[in-house]
Amino acid sequence: QKEVEQDPGPLSVPEGAIVSLNCTYSNSAFQYFMWYRQYSRKGPELLMYTYSSGNKEDGRFTAQVDKSSKYISLFIRDSQPSDSATYLCAMSAGGGADGLTFGKGTHLIIQP
Amino acid sequence: EAGVAQSPRYKIIEKRQSVAFWCNPISGHATLYWYQQILGQGPKLLIQFQNNGVVDDSQLPKDRFSAERLKGVDSTLKIQPAKLEDSAVYLCASSLGLQGSQETQYFGPGTRLLVL
Repeated sequence: QKEVEQDPGPLSVPEGAIVSLNCTYSNSAFQYFMWYRQYSRKGPELLMYTYSSGNKEDGRFTAQVDKSSKYISLFIRDSQPSDSATYLCAMSAGGGADGLTFGKGTHLIIQP
Repeated sequence: EAGVAQSPRYKIIEKRQSVAFWCNPISGHATLYWYQQILGQGPKLLIQFQNNGVVDDSQLPKDRFSAERLKGVDSTLKIQPAKLEDSAVYLCASSLGLQGSQETQYFGPGTRLLVL
């Protein structure tokens, strides 16, 4: 079993839909959870950062962490074609400066 | 603010040849990371530097990969000899290096390596 599991997709939804992306993990030491967005032939860029359990909202994006279930989610409201990218979950035990453990990434396509 | 710079952007080599990648982190960032991203996979940490010291190289295949960060700024990653399975994108990232915090790692565009 890999430390972080993420469905690679592709996930295709119409413009304006609510998108739900998620990851499961096995290492209970993980406390810092991140979502990165990666466009084709670019490096990943940080979207959301959550510490421990709970929700965090930033504009159209909401990140949720349920440590009891070892499950994290990213929701995108009012999805736009520009949101089409690969979304990578990442996590660490000691903070953002630690080396990160990534999921495979979910390829998201927003249809105009 | 300038981002993380990497060169070259693309490299094609024959197996058993050697190759080197260069990274210039964001100015003032103490921590530098090299990740390997194989097609269809998430990035995997190869090595992490704090200034010019190695923090974590547990996943670096040391029989063929080496990395250095002289003077705690730029870094080079070398593969010698290359294998077919080394075909991947090599990402460099940097961060301020504040432990136990909600800190951001900033990634460069990556070097795309193809081993034939």
